[in-house]
Amino acid sequence: GDSVTQMEGPVTLSEEACLTINCTYTATGYPSLFWYVQYPGEGLQLLLKATKADDKGSNKGFEATYRKETTSFHLEKGSVQVSDSAVYFCALSANAGGTSYGKLTFGQGTILTVHP
Amino acid sequence: DADVTQTPRNRITKTGKRIMLECSQTKGHDRMYWYRQDPGLGLRLIYYSFDVKDINKGEISDGYSVSRQAQAKFSLSLESAIPNQTALYFCATSDFQENQPQHFGDGTRLSIL
Repeated sequence: GDSVTQMEGPVTLSEEACLTINCTYTATGYPSLFWYVQYPGEGLQLLLKATKADDKGSNKGFEATYRKETTSFHLEKGSVQVSDSAVYFCALSANAGGTSYGKLTFGQGTILTVHP
Repeated sequence: DADVTQTPRNRITKTGKRIMLECSQTKGHDRMYWYRQDPGLGLRLIYYSFDVKDINKGEISDGYSVSRQAQAKFSLSLESAIPNQTALYFCATSDFQENQPQHFGDGTRLSIL
């Protein structure tokens, strides 16, 4: 079945440091890929998405590129802020014909803490 | 996301009790989902519904049931709660079109003693 693997956490950074959270996936066909963010006490919010190979999703200074050849969708930000402290989830959704069509498969989440 | 409302936000109950978690949405989406979140495990799908007459089991449906009362309402029941069902539960919705993101409620924190 489909699966998503995220880098082990938690991740602790100082403000203005660079961030990379690794995400790799296993899926049949060509899934859509997402990054969600969960702030304390809240539900998940879509951060960015990419629907086909070589697409780059971006939002709030975060970026991720859909790499079909390495089955990866790593999340990056050049300069993190304290307000970026949250849990980040990588997820995939199979397109029509895929085994998990219409459903999201999540990675285990990565806790990010940014100190001033 | 205020468009997806979960009630209650917190619940503490005892083993063996029946519990219902409710979800309502104003986004007009056809698809609704129930997930549970456990530390280190991400979110796991319990049940999902692609329209009012469609109910499907997710990867961890044992011990749970659902009801889709209307397009806007999707409730999750634990018929006889057990302690390992202690978790954070999320409802989500999405549009029927491909590649559309899911929109989540703020969650229900359920503790079973």
